[in-house]
Amino acid sequence: DAGVIQSPRHEVTEMGQEVTLRCKPISGHDYLFWYRQTMMRGLELLIYFNNNVPIDDSGMPEDRFSAKMPNASFSTLKIQPSEPRDSAVYFCASIPRDRGMNTEAFFGQGTRLTVV
Amino acid sequence: AQSVAQPEDQVNVAEGNPLTVKCTYSVSGNPYLFWYVQYPNRGLQFLLKYITGDNLVKGSYGFEAEFNKSQTSFHLKKPSALVSDSALYFCAAVHTGGFKTIFGAGTRLFVKA
Repeated sequence: DAGVIQSPRHEVTEMGQEVTLRCKPISGHDYLFWYRQTMMRGLELLIYFNNNVPIDDSGMPEDRFSAKMPNASFSTLKIQPSEPRDSAVYFCASIPRDRGMNTEAFFGQGTRLTVV
Repeated sequence: AQSVAQPEDQVNVAEGNPLTVKCTYSVSGNPYLFWYVQYPNRGLQFLLKYITGDNLVKGSYGFEAEFNKSQTSFHLKKPSALVSDSALYFCAAVHTGGFKTIFGAGTRLFVKA
């Protein structure tokens, strides 16, 4: 298995533009998580899905952020409009089906977003 | 509020010496505890976890961690550090009531040759 795949690896965009980050979880993994990593705030959980349904989006910073999971193999995190303070590394992670909450997460390599 | 604390931003150790990276947690109930490692420009990789049972947990790359319930700690250890162990280490806790993982701020380990 190729692991969790994120694209793009790097994204540079201008303030005000729409940004879409993509994630393909490992096949058979029912849970998908979006995290944001910054020097100031560390690793923050933004939202997570179970069976394509958003379960907890309390970490989404504001309405400019939205996430979808149209099917079991694809999720997007969208920022519209983007702002310089959104600059961070965004990680996607997934957890295997039926393994329970004591199972470790599998992380993608991240998307480094820079908003100028 | 529930939290995971890693009191040291950076740990420096000489190659061949033992290393300890500290973690304490404030999570209700009996959380599941994890250690992850992050190398530059990579995602987090799982090292080990404590679910129940023996307080000493062994994981990947020779790492182990000691769970102490009374001190609510889960310190990461390795008997003999390698230069290649230099990386960012995260402690994490999962509340048994859900899947929400609480991460510590991370500790950067620097192993000097």
